[in-house]
Amino acid sequence: GAGVSQSPRYKVAKRGQDVALRCDPISGHVSLFWYQQALGQGPEFLTYFQNEAQLDKSGLPSDRFFAERPEGSVSTLKIQRTQQEDSAVYLCASSLSKASAPTDTQYFGPGTRLTVL
Amino acid sequence: AQSVTQLGSHVSVSEGALVLLRCNYSSSVPPYLFWYVQYPNQGHQLLLKYTTGATLVKGINGFEAEFKKSETSFHLTKPSAHMSDAAEYFCAVSGGGYQKVTFGTGTKLQVIP
Repeated sequence: GAGVSQSPRYKVAKRGQDVALRCDPISGHVSLFWYQQALGQGPEFLTYFQNEAQLDKSGLPSDRFFAERPEGSVSTLKIQRTQQEDSAVYLCASSLSKASAPTDTQYFGPGTRLTVL
Repeated sequence: AQSVTQLGSHVSVSEGALVLLRCNYSSSVPPYLFWYVQYPNQGHQLLLKYTTGATLVKGINGFEAEFKKSETSFHLTKPSAHMSDAAEYFCAVSGGGYQKVTFGTGTKLQVIP
């Protein structure tokens, strides 16, 4: 594909529901990042994968948040028992190199807007 | 630790006028600095980045930014605004040999015809 895609683009969940957000990175990209962007804020780092390995999950706000990338390509961010404060845009980005190449360009998807009622 | 401060959440300029979006950073290691642009319903797109070397960096769509270490600044400029420049702009910093990026809160640019 030409770029990073994310699905669904919009998700409305009732408080307490579980949700799963999907990211399809650019083919061949080693690094994959998830960010959370609250209204009026910049993206904030959640977690990082190098291929299938989750090397940094320091930004996940609670143990209700879980991410995986089992085959080193598609990634899923799962939020259990959603709360209103989870309402945000969830962004996925991928880059060609390992995260230890700090100047490599990250390519962002359009995001999934999650609204928790 | 790293942080970015963008001055002004909203900036309005007339078409043809100078665009100046301000960004100041804080970093305990030599920083890598980025400007991203987000158009409505699109993903964040890299405008330009500073890594090492020349402090004046040119990006896409006629934008440029200058890294000023003494002022810890990385302001974004464009000599003449176009209507198509209306978007939200994010300054970001990384460093320490790792791609983990810290973003500012963004500046929405409005271009008035």
